Amino acid sequence: GAVVSQHPSWVICKSGTSVKIECRSLDFQATTMFWYRQFPKQSLMLMATSNEGSKATYEQGVEKDKFLINHASLTLSTLTVTSAHPEDSSFYICSARPRDSVNYEQYFGPGTRLTVT
Amino acid sequence: GENVEQHPSTLSVQEGDSAVIKCTYSDSASNYFPWYKQELGKRPQLIIDIRSNVGEKKDQRIAVTLNKTAKHFSLHITETQPEDSAVYFCAASRATAGNKLTFGGGTRVLVKP
Repeated sequence: GAVVSQHPSWVICKSGTSVKIECRSLDFQATTMFWYRQFPKQSLMLMATSNEGSKATYEQGVEKDKFLINHASLTLSTLTVTSAHPEDSSFYICSARPRDSVNYEQYFGPGTRLTVT
Repeated sequence: GENVEQHPSTLSVQEGDSAVIKCTYSDSASNYFPWYKQELGKRPQLIIDIRSNVGEKKDQRIAVTLNKTAKHFSLHITETQPEDSAVYFCAASRATAGNKLTFGGGTRVLVKP
């Protein structure tokens, strides 16, 4: 149980275009999902916290107009990278915390590798 | 906000030896401390975690210790095997901050056969 999927697993796009990444909790409901970015050989950096039915909370330094997050249901959150540039190339990973969870564990998706040319 | 520092950044050990990774955190209200193993291009995998009301936890060859007073926690891997080679991340979170994780910088562990 507690499986999180991401789609696509990798994507290549041209500079200036937008890319949407989906994060789904397959066998549980998640009121909270988190979006991380990981550059090569670096740690995971939290970008934003996505709450179902409300606006996402962005970490300091993350442009909310560039990284659009929509958590439309208890099993789906999407991250849209708008007007992507080469510096946005990174590994994007989501995680989800089960609704009514009594522990603190988050379940991670497999990640999406974005390359902007 | 929370700041988590992790040392060392790289660690090379001989197969069968022990490996120790240390992390310090800044927010005394943090109450959950997970450790993740990440292989290249893959998702982080939870290997062990500890809550602030516990000082030590062990699972087979892996153990974690927590010193709340000093605000540091450590990962201990005994009898290392080549398949333990990966990048390990510590993290900290607190329930009152929405359980969002702050990660350490990571430790690249190489177990030499």
